[in-house]
Amino acid sequence: AQSVTQLGSHVSVSEGALVLLRCNYSSSVPPYLFWYVQYPNQGLQLLLKYTSAATLVKGINGFEAEFKKSETSFHLTKPSAHMSDAAEYFCAVRAAGAGTASKLTFGTGTRLQVTL
Amino acid sequence: GAGVSQSPSNKVTEKGKDVELRCDPISGHTALYWYRQSLGQGLEFLIYFQGNSAPDKSGLPSDRFSAERTGGSVSTLTIQRTQQEDSAVYLCASSRTTGELFFGEGSRLTVL
Repeated sequence: AQSVTQLGSHVSVSEGALVLLRCNYSSSVPPYLFWYVQYPNQGLQLLLKYTSAATLVKGINGFEAEFKKSETSFHLTKPSAHMSDAAEYFCAVRAAGAGTASKLTFGTGTRLQVTL
Repeated sequence: GAGVSQSPSNKVTEKGKDVELRCDPISGHTALYWYRQSLGQGLEFLIYFQGNSAPDKSGLPSDRFSAERTGGSVSTLTIQRTQQEDSAVYLCASSRTTGELFFGEGSRLTVL
């Protein structure tokens, strides 16, 4: 079974500061890893995904994440926060391959607050 | 439409009534998920359909919850004898076999 742990349910940064949202995964097979963002009163949209190609993945809106197998981590970063980045961020994992064993499992989410 | 469509977008019901929530996935997507998101909470997995495989129902919280997927396309999530704790946003998502999930806007259920 796969699972993810997001450290910190709330993170607050100043505008222009580095954003770091942490995600650690547990998987018995090679995982696919995802970050989704949910803006207030909206559905979820994909920020970026890791599917066993390059370990440094770049996504939309200047976000990126690095897959580190040795640390079982997939932390999300952005060099400079913008007010519009305020949202809920979810890390998710699924097993590579088809079938119901490959269901997507989400973390509990991290709410990012950006202050002036 | 090109995206995942859910209906109704909002549903207010009385405790004890049954409700049905509908999801139209993106055409050609073989995988379909239902999640529940309560106020200030994360995404709680409910059920997962993948092609012709038996669905993974391991997330359904009680036997009052059931879901069907007819013809490998449209899905209906049914909640019988609703309780106040069922109040939440119910999210549907679809994907190709191993691709990214595309989410609908959700159905907000309020049980009075």
